[in-house]
Amino acid sequence: LAKTTQPISMDSYEGQEVNITCSHNNIATNDYITWYQQFPSQGPRFIIQGYKTKVTNEVASLFIPADRKSSTLSLPRVSLSDTAVYYCLVGDKATGYSTLTFGKGTMLLVSP
Amino acid sequence: DAGVIQSPRHEVTEMGQEVTLRCKPISGHDYLFWYRQTMMRGLELLIYFNNNVPIDDSGMPEDRFSAKMPNASFSTLKIQPSEPRDSAVYFCASRPLGLLTGELFFGEGSRLTVL
Repeated sequence: LAKTTQPISMDSYEGQEVNITCSHNNIATNDYITWYQQFPSQGPRFIIQGYKTKVTNEVASLFIPADRKSSTLSLPRVSLSDTAVYYCLVGDKATGYSTLTFGKGTMLLVSP
Repeated sequence: DAGVIQSPRHEVTEMGQEVTLRCKPISGHDYLFWYRQTMMRGLELLIYFNNNVPIDDSGMPEDRFSAKMPNASFSTLKIQPSEPRDSAVYFCASRPLGLLTGELFFGEGSRLTVL
């Protein structure tokens, strides 16, 4: 299973862009990169997924370099409500992503 | 859609007692997952089912833990006997077979405290 490494915590201020980088050096050819967000007392919530290059949706952007050994989740103009734990995961689409491993994630604290 | 429903939301019990956590997945979802979350270990996969059949239970801590899925709309996670180190938030998640993304749909969790 591909292991991911991401910072334990990050701090930011309202209105700033936040970039959270995750490394996954032994990612497999069939693995996709998935990011989740978790608020206190709630279950994790899917944010975005990608395989290579760049993916953008209404919530975030995901940048994946050509070697796919890392990825960066970009949150534009964060607000206080973006304070949460963010998880980077890799998983094989062919297995239904059944091997997703969450770990401890990155605790993002957004201040006024 | 009601989402994944878990019960109870909170449970406080004494060491040695049996604990049963329940999960109702989203209708039509083929996969069901049980996760445990603690400060020390983060979010860990305990077991997952595909079409009611347990596929991988390698994350189940020990024989005190057992999980069943008697039908497509119901699953239980049982701890017998419970111990203080089992205190955690237990999440259930489900997903449909044909979904192209790695999206799991999580319930709100069951917070277990074993005294």
